[in-house]
Amino acid sequence: ELKVEQNPLFLSMQEGKNYTIYCNYSTTSDRLYWYRQDPGKSLESLFVLLSNGAVKQEGRLMASLDTKARLSTLHITAAVHDLSATYFCAVDMSSFSGGGADGLTFGKGTHLIIQP
Amino acid sequence: DAGVIQSPRHEVTEMGQEVTLRCKPISGHDYLFWYRQTMMRGLELLIYFNNNVPIDDSGMPEDRFSAKMPNASFSTLKIQPSEPRDSAVYFCASTGASNEQFFGPGTRLTVL
Repeated sequence: ELKVEQNPLFLSMQEGKNYTIYCNYSTTSDRLYWYRQDPGKSLESLFVLLSNGAVKQEGRLMASLDTKARLSTLHITAAVHDLSATYFCAVDMSSFSGGGADGLTFGKGTHLIIQP
Repeated sequence: DAGVIQSPRHEVTEMGQEVTLRCKPISGHDYLFWYRQTMMRGLELLIYFNNNVPIDDSGMPEDRFSAKMPNASFSTLKIQPSEPRDSAVYFCASTGASNEQFFGPGTRLTVL
C-alpha cells in the first residue's frame, strides 16, 4: 500500500522567512504532484515532478524530487501572507502502469499560516 | 476552457435518500477521477475511468456507492441509500496526456 507522509502538518511562520515542507512516500514512484487548497475551495495544481532530480520553481515556491530517497520538498522563499493555504503532495504509480494516468494518493496536507 | 464542472455545488439530504453527483471533465481529457475529502480521512480516491471504462474502483467504500461514465463528457457518482457518514466534499478531476490532474470545484454533501 502506497503511503504518503507530510511534515510538518501545521506551520505558522512570519512574512519574509524561508521554510521547507517535506513529503515522504513509501513505494518507488517517479511521479509526484503538489497542490494548494484554500479554505472551502478546490485543489489547485502547483507542480508536477516526473523524474529523479526534477526541480521546478514558480514565484516564491520551489519543488524538488529525489526518487531514491522517496522524498520531495516544497521550499518557500521570503514568505508572504498570500501563500497561506494548505499544501498537499500526492503520488501515483502511473509510471508502473504503462504510462497512463493513475489515481493519486495524498498526504494529510500542511496547513500553512503566514503572519505579517 | 471552463475547467472541470461539478453539480450540484451543495447538497443537503436526509439519511436514506438517493444522492447523485455529476461531473463534466475538461474536453479532450480521457481520464476521470472521483475523490472524497473529509477531516478524518483526508483526500481519498474512490474510482477512476479511462475512456469511459472504470479502471480501479477499489476505493469505493461500499455497495451503496456506484459510478458511471456513459460518455466522454459526463460522469455520475451515486449514493443509495445515503448515510450521515457519507457527508464530505466530493471532487471530480480529469487529466489527459500530461497526467496532471485538474480538479473541479467539488460538491459539499451533508447527510442529516
